Amino acid sequence: DTGVSQDPRHKITKRGQNVTFRCDPISEHNRLYWYRQTLGQGPEFLTYFQNEAQLEKSRLLSDRFSAERPKGSFSTLEIQRTEQGDSAMYLCASSPTPSAGRWPGELFFGEGSRLTVL
Amino acid sequence: GNSVTQMEGPVTLSEEAFLTINCTYTATGYPSLFWYVQYPGEGLQLLLKATKADDKGSNKGFEATYRKETTSFHLEKGSVQVSDSAVYFCALRLYNFNKFYFGSGTKLNVKP
Repeated sequence: DTGVSQDPRHKITKRGQNVTFRCDPISEHNRLYWYRQTLGQGPEFLTYFQNEAQLEKSRLLSDRFSAERPKGSFSTLEIQRTEQGDSAMYLCASSPTPSAGRWPGELFFGEGSRLTVL
Repeated sequence: GNSVTQMEGPVTLSEEAFLTINCTYTATGYPSLFWYVQYPGEGLQLLLKATKADDKGSNKGFEATYRKETTSFHLEKGSVQVSDSAVYFCALRLYNFNKFYFGSGTKLNVKP
């Protein structure tokens, strides 16, 4: 399977605990995105990487959230001191760098990691 | 700002009925427009896209035309099937920007 994979698919945790999600993008894609989706809403942008560099962060990403992509391949999203409001589906997507021949680059999504904070 | 507004769901149709899901957008620049679909238990996947005014995107019998004058990108299908039951998301992306802006999604239920 050469799609975007996310792990774990579902995480249940108690308020105040830390959680970490992992995303493995499509191997030749150098852009990686994290989105958050709550029930009945569309995905909301959190952050994005070009290779290992984190180039943009949303205001939604509080200081309890941190994302890394240390070698420009997989990425992790950590949430510290989870709150009930963090309960959501966390989506990872990847895309190749847009070029004249393939603009606009589409996003390829994983199946998501669902977080439930009790 | 940049945003996408979709018609509220759920939309319930009988098999072979005509489908329209409305989408309008607000953009600070000149966007490309997309429809993504999410089948139950699966990730979002691109359904179709259009990059400039009057372009028509099409795939799997679905169509949408980029209407700059009405800032719209309505999704249509002439004859829906039960297998089309899913959540449909309209989205935009500005040229040379990296974020996609998504609508809230419209759930489609097709009954046999």
